[in-house]
Amino acid sequence: ETGVTQTPRHLVMGMTNKKSLKCEQHLGHNAMYWYKQSAKKPLELMFVYNFKEQTENNSVPSRFSPECPNSSHLFLHLHTLQPEDSALYLCASSQGTGDTDTQYFGPGTRLTVL
Amino acid sequence: GQNIDQPTEMTATEGAIVQINCTYQTSGFNGLFWYQQHAGEAPTFLSYNVLDGLEEKGRFSSFLSRSKGYSYLLLKELQMKDSASYLCAVMDSNYQLIWGAGTKLIIKP
Repeated sequence: ETGVTQTPRHLVMGMTNKKSLKCEQHLGHNAMYWYKQSAKKPLELMFVYNFKEQTENNSVPSRFSPECPNSSHLFLHLHTLQPEDSALYLCASSQGTGDTDTQYFGPGTRLTVL
Repeated sequence: GQNIDQPTEMTATEGAIVQINCTYQTSGFNGLFWYQQHAGEAPTFLSYNVLDGLEEKGRFSSFLSRSKGYSYLLLKELQMKDSASYLCAVMDSNYQLIWGAGTKLIIKP
């Protein structure tokens, strides 16, 4: 247990569906992240929030829409996804966004797009 | 561009020692992290190096040479539970983590 939880753990959706991924951290951290992890590829940073403000958006398609209502919760809203979006989506949190701020990860949501 | 290289897969024997290498080319350097990730689980933090040299933490040690753009993770007295992927990540000048693809370590009895 890292103090970061994600739901659901598994999700299968069609290309026309709308779904949301949820992340919650119980560590009192101020920064939260969404990553995409595809098989045998490096983690890809998608979004960064620091004190509820989005600070990074790494050229992510608009079919992915993040929401951070407070420092403890982070959502990723999904709509009209493509099969190539199938991957493990990891949430992480850290105290801040500086050099010594270790990121702590949740277990991920395994997403399959049909 | 930015690049982190580490071997795709390694195999070692229970009780032995294994060294996982990581080389990097990044725009700036603000530290190097090693994470362990068991299949289907979250990556978990192992070590952080920002100065040259060896950091030891129990059975695991991590080494950094900034001039060579090189790090390694040393695992001693290998146990079956050490079978996992090991991820190397460098924090660049924008304080973003640049990740390697990970090294899958297989431990055999």
